Amino acid sequence: SQTIHQWPATLVQPVGSPLSLECTVEGTSNPNLYWYRQAAGRGLQLLFYSVGIGQISSEVPQNLSASRPQDRQFILSSKKLLLSDSGFYLCAWSGGWAPDTQYFGPGTRLTVL
Amino acid sequence: QQQVKQSPQSLIVQKGGIPIINCAYENTAFDYFPWYQQFPGKGPALLIAIRPDVSEKKEGRFTISFNKSAKQFSLHIMDSQPGDSATYFCAASIFGSARQLTFGSGTQLTVLP
Repeated sequence: SQTIHQWPATLVQPVGSPLSLECTVEGTSNPNLYWYRQAAGRGLQLLFYSVGIGQISSEVPQNLSASRPQDRQFILSSKKLLLSDSGFYLCAWSGGWAPDTQYFGPGTRLTVL
Repeated sequence: QQQVKQSPQSLIVQKGGIPIINCAYENTAFDYFPWYQQFPGKGPALLIAIRPDVSEKKEGRFTISFNKSAKQFSLHIMDSQPGDSATYFCAASIFGSARQLTFGSGTQLTVLP
């Protein structure tokens, strides 16, 4: 069965510090991978998606970047965090036997102070 | 044209009631409509999904009704329970690269005991 992991689960960072969030998927190959941000009490905003290693599409111009160094690894980064980067970051994958459906990870709660 | 409009924003029902959440879309190219359930602090989980070639789909106590001509779809929860209290998101996607999901803004459901 497929499993998606995200870490860390929670993170508190000062403004101006760097960020690295990691997402890995097990049990499938060549998945589509996605990063979303969810502000408190709000909907999901698609930040980046990837259809293969090294292929990243950005949906929203911002302070963040994404990379896919391996088939089942997706990383969200920032060089300098802003207060507005606070939120709940979710990684998702799709593909394999259910190409239409996105399956979400447990999320990372980021607080920028 | 890419938006999915969801209503109501919040909903309170008594145990055993039938909450109904509605979504509307404009883009007729959408061909896949999933619903996600999200508990506080967790990632969204796929609940049920429908394609526009059917008007209704049931899975357990959850039913999607789909009206292609009106470009609307809705989620019904039969015999609702306090454990159904969560935020529900509708979404839509188009066949193609990465199948990006366009999410509604979410409905916070509270089922009173």
